[in-house]
Amino acid sequence: DGGITQSPKYLFRKEGQNVTLSCEQNLNHDAMYWYRQDPGQGLRLIYYSQIVNDFQKGDIAEGYSVSREKKESFPLTVTSAQKNPTAFYLCASTIGGSKGYTFGSGTRLTVV
Amino acid sequence: AQSVTQLGSHVSVSEGALVLLRCNYSSSVPPYLFWYVQYPNQGLQLLLKYTSAATLVKGINGFEAEFKKSETSFHLTKPSAHMSDAAEYFCAVSDGGGGSNYKLTFGKGTLLTVNP
Repeated sequence: DGGITQSPKYLFRKEGQNVTLSCEQNLNHDAMYWYRQDPGQGLRLIYYSQIVNDFQKGDIAEGYSVSREKKESFPLTVTSAQKNPTAFYLCASTIGGSKGYTFGSGTRLTVV
Repeated sequence: AQSVTQLGSHVSVSEGALVLLRCNYSSSVPPYLFWYVQYPNQGLQLLLKYTSAATLVKGINGFEAEFKKSETSFHLTKPSAHMSDAAEYFCAVSDGGGGSNYKLTFGKGTLLTVNP
């Protein structure tokens, strides 16, 4: 069955380290998105990509970076410049229109 | 610009009672509207969507929602709550466009608690 796979499910980072969260989809979707979720704040858009080798900043891109070298993959790097990275991170994809998003199961990142 | 307002960040009901989660939207074009459910430490799962066909939309797990253009609302209901319905619910709107600007706009979510 097609879907989106996020890994790892739990991730621990030491302060000052960069970490990369994986997002892979086999739905043949063109568009992919990264959201950050904090309690009581809903979903906040970090980055999104509509096609390979192109991506745009969302509302809270500072301290994050992405790449889109393959249609299936959209990894998110949380850099040391992100001062408060502890959060739940969600990846999503879509073919647009009336389809809405398909979400991955999320990665919980904790700074230790 | 689109926006979504979910009234009530936390709703508590008794098992067997009616569930009503409110969502109002603004959109400059006829919208597509979605309700998603999120269980703890999981991703969001699509409950139902409105795509300009029937205004009363039925989804999974006995939920339904009614699109009311005059009220710019898309409230989610379920006649009888079950303990397994306890989760966070998100309303979202899209203008349905394709291309480089396709994004859903989400509300801030409503946490549903079901009491035995």
